[in-house]
Amino acid sequence: DSGVTQTPKHLITATGQRVTLRCSPRSGDLSVYWYQQSLDQGLQFLIQYYNGEERAKGNILERFSAQQFPDLHSELNLSSLELGDSALYFCASSLSGQGKSEKLFFGSGTQLSVL
Amino acid sequence: GQQLNQSPQSMFIQEGEDVSMNCTSSSIFNTWLWYKQDPGEGPVLLIALYKAGELTSNGRLTAQFGITRKDSFLNISASIPSDVGIYFCAGQWKGGGADGLTFGKGTHLIIQP
Repeated sequence: DSGVTQTPKHLITATGQRVTLRCSPRSGDLSVYWYQQSLDQGLQFLIQYYNGEERAKGNILERFSAQQFPDLHSELNLSSLELGDSALYFCASSLSGQGKSEKLFFGSGTQLSVL
Repeated sequence: GQQLNQSPQSMFIQEGEDVSMNCTSSSIFNTWLWYKQDPGEGPVLLIALYKAGELTSNGRLTAQFGITRKDSFLNISASIPSDVGIYFCAGQWKGGGADGLTFGKGTHLIIQP
């Protein structure tokens, strides 16, 4: 158990809908990351938050947004969903998000299926 | 962005065999990481490498940071059934921060009975 909690584990929805994925980081970790994993693209970095503030952005679509709350949990919002958004979405956390020895701890992921 | 080529894509081996996989890049990385993902779970860090030429072991796993800083290798000796999973390499090319991590597409390890 990595200590990172993601809910829900599975989500099935229709095109055009909006969903929210939730992540609670490991106790004491201030930084949260969101990744998308698909069969053809592998693990793609979406966005990082540190102590409530956005720190880095990766390949995140404009239809997607995220935030980190004062209690450090994070939510990833996916809107106007398309078939191609079907993927496994991972949250990871780390202590500070800085430094090359920083280690990422991943949650078990949310499997999103858009029908 | 940075790209990593991870090979092989999949491996079908017999229990007890040794396994080798590698990652290569056209760019230099400062850090190489190897993760394993079990079915239904997130990636778990196996080994972290921080210096060119570094060789690090974790039980039956050994990884090396290539001297050119553009590649890394992971070896698993005497494979057992619980080694089944997807192995990812990741390179970090920025000075710090996991947003600079680039992941390979993974090597699927399958152990035949």
